[in-house]
Amino acid sequence: NAGVTQTPKFQVLKTGQSMTLQCAQDMNHNSMYWYRQDPGMGLRLIYYSASEGTTDKGEVPNGYNVSRLNKREFSLRLESAAPSQTSVYFCASTQYRDGGNQPQHFGDGTRLSIL
Amino acid sequence: QKEVEQNSGPLSVPEGAIASLNCTYSDRGSQSFFWYRQYSGKSPELIMFIYSNGDKEDGRFTAQLNKASQYVSLLIRDSQPSDSATYLCALRSNDYKLSFGAGTTVTVRA
Repeated sequence: NAGVTQTPKFQVLKTGQSMTLQCAQDMNHNSMYWYRQDPGMGLRLIYYSASEGTTDKGEVPNGYNVSRLNKREFSLRLESAAPSQTSVYFCASTQYRDGGNQPQHFGDGTRLSIL
Repeated sequence: QKEVEQNSGPLSVPEGAIASLNCTYSDRGSQSFFWYRQYSGKSPELIMFIYSNGDKEDGRFTAQLNKASQYVSLLIRDSQPSDSATYLCALRSNDYKLSFGAGTTVTVRA
């Protein structure tokens, strides 16, 4: 049971380059999320997808775009990478239900450095 | 903006002692509360969740919730070196999103 799979695990980019981070889950979850984690700042939500076909901005969406390709896959794109986007990126998923207590399950993360 | 505050630590405890972690929050509409453990270089993993006032125990871990005072805590009994990690507090109000604290780093001294 793979859970949440993120690719790539590591990436180095030059300023201005673009790339897409991939995330797939095999738990049939309806909601998916992208976070970034910087030292001393915890997890900050970039974008989320409450259900297939919907996406919404989180706390720090600037410089990013997302696509919910299908129920399993949720990708994060950096169109023109900036050094401030150097971070660890986590994808998460959950089977959200109103009033429910379902936790989010995290992938192993993508460590992204932008020079 | 939901604020979730945690003491960043590091919290250093001797092996076998109780580690006590606290988390306060500002949104009174918060309904569910989660504690995640994150080892260095790894992803967060769920330890416990709680949504009713009072205590909830799971093995060596006890979560405590007091909605009137807007705090949630985590006790780790009989602390082991393997408990050395960063512990993240998270909460959910009535929507799809979790708000995370910055985490408390715990070091268990052998």
